[in-house]
Amino acid sequence: AQSVAQPEDQVNVAEGNPLTVKCTYSVSGNPYLFWYVQYPNRGLQFLLKYITGDNLVKGSYGFEAEFNKSQTSFHLKKPSALVSDSALYFCAVRDWNSGNTPLVFGKGTRLSVIA
Amino acid sequence: EAQVTQNPRYLITVTGKKLTVTCSQNMNHEYMSWYRQDPGLGLRQIYYSMNVEVTDKGDVPEGYKVSRKEKRNFPLILESPSPNQTSLYFCASSPVGGAGGPQHFGDGTRLSIL
Repeated sequence: AQSVAQPEDQVNVAEGNPLTVKCTYSVSGNPYLFWYVQYPNRGLQFLLKYITGDNLVKGSYGFEAEFNKSQTSFHLKKPSALVSDSALYFCAVRDWNSGNTPLVFGKGTRLSVIA
Repeated sequence: EAQVTQNPRYLITVTGKKLTVTCSQNMNHEYMSWYRQDPGLGLRQIYYSMNVEVTDKGDVPEGYKVSRKEKRNFPLILESPSPNQTSLYFCASSPVGGAGGPQHFGDGTRLSIL
């Protein structure tokens, strides 16, 4: 079975500082990995994905994520946080070896960027 | 504009009164899915559909029904709603059976069952 863990419910960071939102995953085969962001009263918006290739993936709004196979991690990062980055972030995984299994989401991490 | 549209956005109703939440996408996606979002539990999948007339249970299907008669529409039906179905619901769609393609989400439907 596939699963995703986001170990932090809340991350606080000062504006201008680098931010990291952590994600670890478990799949039996090879993973498709995604990050989504949710702003208040809105649905989830796609940020970036890892399918194969370069372990450092760049996405929307200056975010990037690093795939680490040995640590089974896919942490979301941004060099300089903005107050407008404050939102709920979800990591998701799918095992691309397993046919039509659905995407599995983590429980979410709330990011607060303080001015 | 590419979008997933859910209706209604908000609904307060009573136990046992059948309701339907509609979902429509204009991107010709094969894959559609329903999730519920609850505090501390993240998103949990209710049902999904790989294509027209093909639906499958997700993690929490009890108390829900779906249908996929047309590619663009994927309604969620609560035949006899109960208070434990009070939640925020999201519909999503993606191409390629939801494999490597990112999902597009609607803006959500907040249901309160009294």
